[in-house]
Amino acid sequence: NAGVTQTPKFRVLKTGQSMTLLCAQDMNHEYMYWYRQDPGMGLRLIHYSVGEGTTAKGEVPDGYNVSRLKKQNFLLGLESAAPSQTSVYFCASKDRPLRKLFFGSGTQLSVL
Amino acid sequence: KNQVEQSPQSLIILEGKNCTLQCNYTVSPFSNLRWYKQDTGRGPVSLTIMTFSENTKSNGRYTATLDADTKQSSLHITASQLSDSASYICVVANSGYSTLTFGKGTMLLVSP
Repeated sequence: NAGVTQTPKFRVLKTGQSMTLLCAQDMNHEYMYWYRQDPGMGLRLIHYSVGEGTTAKGEVPDGYNVSRLKKQNFLLGLESAAPSQTSVYFCASKDRPLRKLFFGSGTQLSVL
Repeated sequence: KNQVEQSPQSLIILEGKNCTLQCNYTVSPFSNLRWYKQDTGRGPVSLTIMTFSENTKSNGRYTATLDADTKQSSLHITASQLSDSASYICVVANSGYSTLTFGKGTMLLVSP
């Protein structure tokens, strides 16, 4: 049982480049989330989805876009990367609102 | 503004000793409080979830307490092991579907 899988694990971008982070879960969860984790700060919500075909903005959505075309996948896109987007990105999922979150192992992104 | 404050920021203890981590929150309306363990380079893993009516919840050597009146929680680790070295994150949920407020974490190092 893989749980939540994130790809890639590491990526280095130049300012202005674009990329897509992929999150896949095999637990049939409805809810999926993208967070970023920066040194000295708690995890912050970027975007989330409460079901296939739905997305919503979180606390820090600027500069990111997301899509949830299939229930098991949640994509996070950076259209024009900036150094401020250097961070560790975590995807998470859960089946119901009050249940625990299952996290992926993270993507370390550096924007030069 | 919803906030979660954790103390101490970091802690070093000897293997076999006990320790207690603290969490104070100002999240309203309160739904539940969660403790997560995050190993270096990994995603957070859920330890406990407590609702308003629960004062104590255990998961092996981990025992979490909640005082909803004073808005405080603690995580007690008994007979620490080297594998307990990690960051411990307190997370408070309000009654919305996706609003979680994360603390910055307490970094615990268990020394042999």
